[in-house]
Amino acid sequence: EIVLTQSPGTLSLSPGERATLSCRASQSISSIYLVWYQQKPGQAPRLLIHAASSRATGIPDRFSGSGSGTDFTLTISRLEPEDLAVYYCQHYGTSPPYTFGQGTKLEIK
Amino acid sequence: QVQLQQSGPGLVKPSQTLSLNCAISGDSVSSNSAVWNWIRQSPSRGLQWLGRTYYRSKWYYEYAVSVKSRIIISVDTSKNQFYLQLNSVTPDDTAVYYCARGYCIGGSCASGPAFDYWGQGALVTVSS
Repeated sequence: EIVLTQSPGTLSLSPGERATLSCRASQSISSIYLVWYQQKPGQAPRLLIHAASSRATGIPDRFSGSGSGTDFTLTISRLEPEDLAVYYCQHYGTSPPYTFGQGTKLEIK
Repeated sequence: QVQLQQSGPGLVKPSQTLSLNCAISGDSVSSNSAVWNWIRQSPSRGLQWLGRTYYRSKWYYEYAVSVKSRIIISVDTSKNQFYLQLNSVTPDDTAVYYCARGYCIGGSCASGPAFDYWGQGALVTVSS
């Protein structure tokens, strides 16, 4: 089973700043199977990025994903107050189990 | 637009059975492209995938090892719904439960699969 470790646990930034969130896999994975979700308070997770770097429909271009192998990154440029959320990475491989990272909480100052 | 609407009791007694429904609109539970999943979230476990069902000429059911002895996912094609049944619950099963569609985005798995639509979530508390 792939274990995903996200860092930092909490990130506190101001509007307009750039956020860099990390997701590290316990072993090398295909970037096709690395997914990012955003979960706002009281809501279900929302698909942000699939295949490590492809934005889902309706996601602003402020959100971008990158990485390969064991190291993946979600970058949010020009933070807005509405970006307050917990961000999760997920390994959605060819077969289950489908594992999630523990999340990075993004606070907007 | 795909929508998933969950329903079910919010309180279950220890040792009893947790049952939840997920009603699908905008897609078919019998779709040859989609996979229908149950996921839960708790402070102690985070997001935990529980199991899935899908139709590819026949029905398939797959479960997480941690709950395999207690879980049943079923389908009602006439109602376009799928269901979660978790037996012999304990307070450790207290969580928000989600149903979600697994899909190869853009119709090609080379573009990467993901959970693209989620139900609204249902808090289930296990307590006497």
